[in-house]
Amino acid sequence: GAVVSQHPSWVICKSGTSVKIECRSLDFQATTMFWYRQFPKKSLMLMATSNEGSKATYEQGVEKDKFLINHASLTLSTLTVTSAHPEDSSFYICSARVDRGGYGYTFGSGTRLTVV
Amino acid sequence: AQSVTQLGSHVSVSEGALVLLRCNYSSSVPPYLFWYVQYPNQGLQLLLKYTTGATLVKGINGFEAEFKKSETSFHLTKPSAHMSDAAEYFCAVSDGGATNKLIFGTGTLLAVQP
Repeated sequence: GAVVSQHPSWVICKSGTSVKIECRSLDFQATTMFWYRQFPKKSLMLMATSNEGSKATYEQGVEKDKFLINHASLTLSTLTVTSAHPEDSSFYICSARVDRGGYGYTFGSGTRLTVV
Repeated sequence: AQSVTQLGSHVSVSEGALVLLRCNYSSSVPPYLFWYVQYPNQGLQLLLKYTTGATLVKGINGFEAEFKKSETSFHLTKPSAHMSDAAEYFCAVSDGGATNKLIFGTGTLLAVQP
């Protein structure tokens, strides 16, 4: 239970284009979802927290106009990387708060973004 | 604000040896603590967590961790390493509801030698 499905698993795009990553909670309602970015051989950096029906809260240093987050329903949050550049290439992971089985978090399988 | 420090970015053990991965945290509120494992190009899998109650927590695959408030530590151990344990391990801390944020340590890459 408490499964989050993240798509696509990997994407290659041209510099200057936009890419959308989806994160769906399959068997629960995700009021709060999180987006992380992971650089090679590095830890997960929290980018933003999204709450259903309200604007996302971005961490310091994260460009909100570059990384657009939408949490329009209790089962779907999206991250759009706008006007992508090679430096945006990274591994992006979504996560959702769950209370099933006690306080915790469940994670998507991640999206490998390569901008060429 | 919470933070996590993982001592040792790389740890190498022999198969069958004790695994000890260190984690220290900083939190202004009673912390909720987690250990996750990540295999290459995959998401994170929960090994175990501490929220309340018993301070010695047992998780999957034979791992366990002990919450020591006096030492602000939550070290991960496994009595006998298997080759399949080779992966990246992350310790993480949450404020348990104030912001719901989960903050990760820098990770420890565990290598298991035959």
